[in-house]
Parts: sequence; C-alpha cells; structure tokens
Amino acid sequence: AQSVTQLGSHVSVSEGALVLLRCNYSSSVPPYLFWYVQYPNQGLQLLLKYTSAATLVKGINGFEAEFKKSETSFHLTKPSAHMSDAAEYFCALDFGGTSYGKLTFGQGTILTVHP
Amino acid sequence: GAGVSQSPSNKVTEKGKDVELRCDPISGHTALYWYRQSLGQGLEFLIYFQGNSAPDKSGLPSDRFSAERTGGSVSTLTIQRTQQEDSAVYLCASSLEGQGITGELFFGEGSRLTVL
Repeated sequence: AQSVTQLGSHVSVSEGALVLLRCNYSSSVPPYLFWYVQYPNQGLQLLLKYTSAATLVKGINGFEAEFKKSETSFHLTKPSAHMSDAAEYFCALDFGGTSYGKLTFGQGTILTVHP
Repeated sequence: GAGVSQSPSNKVTEKGKDVELRCDPISGHTALYWYRQSLGQGLEFLIYFQGNSAPDKSGLPSDRFSAERTGGSVSTLTIQRTQQEDSAVYLCASSLEGQGITGELFFGEGSRLTVL
C-alpha cells in the first residue's frame, strides 16, 4: 500500500524566512510525487512534480523539492517566504509507470506567513 | 471559461435527499476525476473517467454514490439518500493525459455539500 505523511499540520514562518514543508512517502514501486497548493476557496494548483528525472525539481513561485529515495522524502522548500505564500499545501503520490492521476494525498500543511 | 467548472458551488440538503453535482472539464481533456475533501478524511480519490468510461471507481464509498460522463465532457456525481457523513467538498479535476506518465491535474473550485 502506498501512503503519504506530511509532518506538521501547521507551519508558521516570518516573511523572508525559509519555508520547509515535510513530506515522507511509502510506496512499493517507484512513485511519482507532487506538491499541490490550495488557496482559500479555490481548487488545487500544481506546484511541481517528480517523475523520475532530476531529483531536484523546481516549481512555480520559487518553490522547489528534492526527491531522496534513501529517506523516502520529498520536502518542499522556498528560500524566502512571501505573504502570498499563505495557503494549504498537499503532497501527493501516484504509481509510476501505471499511473493515471489516481493520487494519494497527505493530510495537508497550512502555511502561515506573518510580517 | 478556461478552467474546470463545478456547480453548484454550495449545496445544503436534508438527510435522505438525493443530490447531483456537475463538473465541466477543460475542453479537450480526456481524463476526468472526482475527489472528496473532508475534515476527517482529507483528500480522497473517488472515480476516474477516461472518455465516457470509468476504469477505476474504487473510491466510491458506497452504492449510494454514482457518476457518469457523457460526450467525453460533462460529468455528474450523484449521491442518493444523503447522510451527514457525506458532507464534504467534492472536487473535480481533468487532465490531458489519463494514462502513462501522470500529467498535471487541473482542479475546479469544488462543490461544498452540507447534509443537515
């Protein structure tokens, strides 16, 4: 069975500080991994995805994530937080190779950015 | 519009009533998905359509839930005899790629269902 665990349901940072949102996964086959962001009263938007190419993946809005197989992790980072980054972030997993968009999501992490 | 459109945006119903939720995907997207977002369960996959067929409906919680897609476009999710535990936000997503390497899923804003 595959699963995704996001460590920390709430993360609070100061504007300009490093953002680090943690995601660990469990999968019996090489996974595809994603980070989605959800702003209030909006649908989910893809930030970035890992599909077995480069292990360091760059996404939109200055976010990036690194796939570490040995640690089964796919943490999301941004060097300098902006007020507009406040949202809920979801890590998600899909089976590589036989995938078709059936995503397994983590529980989400709400990011608060304060001045 | 250019995005995934869902209606109604909000629905309040009484326990035992039937409800229909509609999704209009991005034009040309062959894959369509329904997910459910609730406080207790997080984001859960419900069903996947490729064209008008549903090769994976494994996430539908009970036989009270059904979905169809017509013309390779609009989809309707129907919940019969609603229960309070059905209260959630129902998200629809569409994608160009439904098989092979997962492409980006484009999500609608969701239909918030409240069952009294």
